[in-house]
Amino acid sequence: DAKTTQPPSMDCAEGRAANLPCNHSTISGNEYVYWYRQIHSQGPQYIIHGLKNNETNEMASLIITEDRKSSTLILPHATLRDTAVYYCIVSLGGSQGNLIFGKGTKLSVKP
Amino acid sequence: NAGVTQTPKFRILKIGQSMTLQCTQDMNHNYMYWYRQDPGMGLKLIYYSVGAGITDKGEVPNGYNVSRSTTEDFPLRLELAAPSQTSVYFCASSYSSYQETQYFGPGTRLLVL
Repeated sequence: DAKTTQPPSMDCAEGRAANLPCNHSTISGNEYVYWYRQIHSQGPQYIIHGLKNNETNEMASLIITEDRKSSTLILPHATLRDTAVYYCIVSLGGSQGNLIFGKGTKLSVKP
Repeated sequence: NAGVTQTPKFRILKIGQSMTLQCTQDMNHNYMYWYRQDPGMGLKLIYYSVGAGITDKGEVPNGYNVSRSTTEDFPLRLELAAPSQTSVYFCASSYSSYQETQYFGPGTRLLVL
């Protein structure tokens, strides 16, 4: 089972910031938080990941709380092409390294 | 780089038929994975490989087989197709597993009737 909890759906106005929350209260000290997204019918796409510190790349920012029990993915200026299902995943990696996907959050960006 | 490619894109099988889903990556990645995604659900790991000649079971391996004779290719075999195997199948790869992101193919949609 997925170790994360996400809202099933969210709406966001085009051009505004989209803030997607994720709870991972049972995360262990050496587990990373990953975010992937899946645009309709396509393969999942990596967005960002982090351990303790906040992270930013060209796609998004990841804010992790100090206790690491929750995080927020921020898309600073959402576009219609950001409409997708967003998955928050905690993963240790190791020899298996598989990603356990839950149901994610369906983000709908509206004009 | 083409990344991760999968063939076919779509296939209809009759119950009991067999087929092989092809997956190829050109990024020289050591790790490769097969996932399935049922409608409205997340992905579940079927099999994975940490290098040529090495494979291992994931969460839902029953009814499937894999092989990894080369770094580039990781085919998934369905021997006796069942309606429960109707799903979308995604292949993915990563250079290693720890802290490495996975790159996914476009998927193969399989319908078993």
